[in-house]
Amino acid sequence: DQQVKQNSPSLSVQEGRISILNCDYTNSMFDYFLWYKKYPAEGPTFLISISSIKDKNEDGRFTVFLNKSAKHLSLHIVPSQPGDSAVYFCAASTSGNTPLVFGKGTRLSVIA
Amino acid sequence: GAGVSQSPSNKVTEKGKDVELRCDPISGHTALYWYRQSLGQGLEFLIYFQGNSAPDKSGLPSDRFSAERTGGSVSTLTIQRTQQEDSAVYLCASSLVQGGYGYTFGSGTRLTVV
Repeated sequence: DQQVKQNSPSLSVQEGRISILNCDYTNSMFDYFLWYKKYPAEGPTFLISISSIKDKNEDGRFTVFLNKSAKHLSLHIVPSQPGDSAVYFCAASTSGNTPLVFGKGTRLSVIA
Repeated sequence: GAGVSQSPSNKVTEKGKDVELRCDPISGHTALYWYRQSLGQGLEFLIYFQGNSAPDKSGLPSDRFSAERTGGSVSTLTIQRTQQEDSAVYLCASSLVQGGYGYTFGSGTRLTVV
């Protein structure tokens, strides 16, 4: 049973527009959430995180929103750039004491 | 080293053979994780080492899979009697402290079982 779900396998966005990637989770014990970005033939790299005590965290063009009641988080990228084209993985853990649980990823294509 | 190093980067093996995959974590990182990514799937947790504690093996898919970490540093993931469904990218990550924070991943080993 998937505890972290990314229901959109792919997303295509025009350069300059906003990209919104979504993630749902089922385990109410999760309290720390992360987004990783992965280019082909490379390992995932950390992008941004959020603790359950917050509902928003912003870092430059990247913002993560957390809706605990809906068990939903989203990653906003604005403005989107061609270099943002990659697979984005949502991940979650419990108090940082358990290995990260990852979703299946969403492939973002930013079209120039 | 500066990053997490994995070797080999690619491995093709015949069904039934044993394989060993190596991970050299960032110096000083006490936690080490193995994940795999099968085609069209997310990152599946396999095993986790934290310092001198007994490893968390809860993600290993079968008893053909084993891993060890020598001297709290280098780790080897061994798959015995490989099957075609073992074909995947095997990713290693390390972190400074226990748990879900601050993973640094290696580039992975792409294993193909023919």
